[in-house]
Parts: sequence; structure tokens; C-alpha cells
Amino acid sequence: NAGVTQTPKFRVLKTGQSMTLLCAQDMNHEYMYWYRQDPGMGLRLIHYSVGEGTTAKGEVPDGYNVSRLKKQNFLLGLESAAPSQTSVYFCASSYDGILGYTFGSGTRLTVV
Amino acid sequence: GEDVEQSLFLSVREGDSSVINCTYTDSSSTYLYWYKQEPGAGLQLLTYIFSNMDMKQDQRLTVLLNKKDKHLSLRIADTQTGDSAIYFCADPTGGGNKLTFGTGTQLKVEL
Repeated sequence: NAGVTQTPKFRVLKTGQSMTLLCAQDMNHEYMYWYRQDPGMGLRLIHYSVGEGTTAKGEVPDGYNVSRLKKQNFLLGLESAAPSQTSVYFCASSYDGILGYTFGSGTRLTVV
Repeated sequence: GEDVEQSLFLSVREGDSSVINCTYTDSSSTYLYWYKQEPGAGLQLLTYIFSNMDMKQDQRLTVLLNKKDKHLSLRIADTQTGDSAIYFCADPTGGGNKLTFGTGTQLKVEL
């Protein structure tokens, strides 16, 4: 039972490069989320999705795009990476958006 | 906007009780949550409390909710070294389909 799987686990980017972070869940959850975690700031919501084909902005969406073409996958894209996007990124999914968020193990991204 | 605030650090001795505090602003929340993050890992749901309850006990964990003051606390009895982690409180916002997390409290348990 894999739960929520994030790839890659680590990545170093140069300023201006692009990349996509992949989140996959095998629990048939409707809701999926991308958060970033920075020291002293907790987790901040970037984008989220309440079902296949839907996306919505969270608290800190600028510089990121997302897509939810398949129910089990939620992709987070950085079109032109900036050092301010250095962070640990967590994906989460939920059956109903209320109880029991399941988190992935995170992607540590460094932008130099 | 919605804010969830916690103190950043707490240090306790093994065997003592730990109390982690949280204040929130969204008074319409149905549930409030505590998550635990161990080093290098994602968050795991630790416990939650329904908003019409004042207290919930689950083995060594006690959650207290003061709705009037919008204050939530997590008490860990007989704290062990394995309890060392970051603890986040979380408050549903935006109609309840997403969580706003606090800044997290890093609990350090000393021998």
C-alpha cells in the first residue's frame, strides 16, 4: 500500500530552469494538495484540487502551476525557478478534504 | 485571512508532560487537528477534536479546546524521546476542504 508517492525526493536547479514535481496516490482520493514547508513558517498551501480536472489557488500560488489530468496524479510545475522557491514540497491527499490527510515524504528542492 | 499560531520550540525532560499550544482564527471549523512530523518525513495525523467537544483523550494524548478563546492545546503525558518531532495544529478553512497549518512546534525531549 504505497499511499502518496512524490518524485523526485531531491533536486537542485539553476535559476531560470523549469521542472515538474509528481505526486501520485493510490487511495482513490478526490482531494489533493501541494504545500511548501519553510523554517519558522509552517506549511503553506500552494495549489489544490477537489477532483480530477480541477485546480484552485492556495495561499502562495505565484510562480507555480498545477495539473490534475488523472485522479491519481497531481503535478506541480515551476516554469522559471527562483532561489525563493528553495523549500521542501509536500503533496497530500484526502478522501473528503476534512479528515485524514495523507502526506508524501517530501521533495527537497534547492534553487541556486 | 486565517492564521494559526504556535510557539516554535519546546524542550522537556523525559517522563515529564509536554503541553503544546495553538491559537486559530476561523471559528467555523468543524474539526481541529494535530499532526506530527518526524525528521525527514511527511506529516502524520496524530489526533483531532470535534468542535463541540472541550476535551479528547487518546492514551497519552489529551486535546483541550477553548472555543471562546480560539485556543487548542495538546498534552503529551510521560513524554518519551520518540516523541521528539515537530507538532502542527491545523484548522480547516475555505469551506472546510483545505487545511491551514500552524508554524509548528519543535519538541525536544532531553534525557
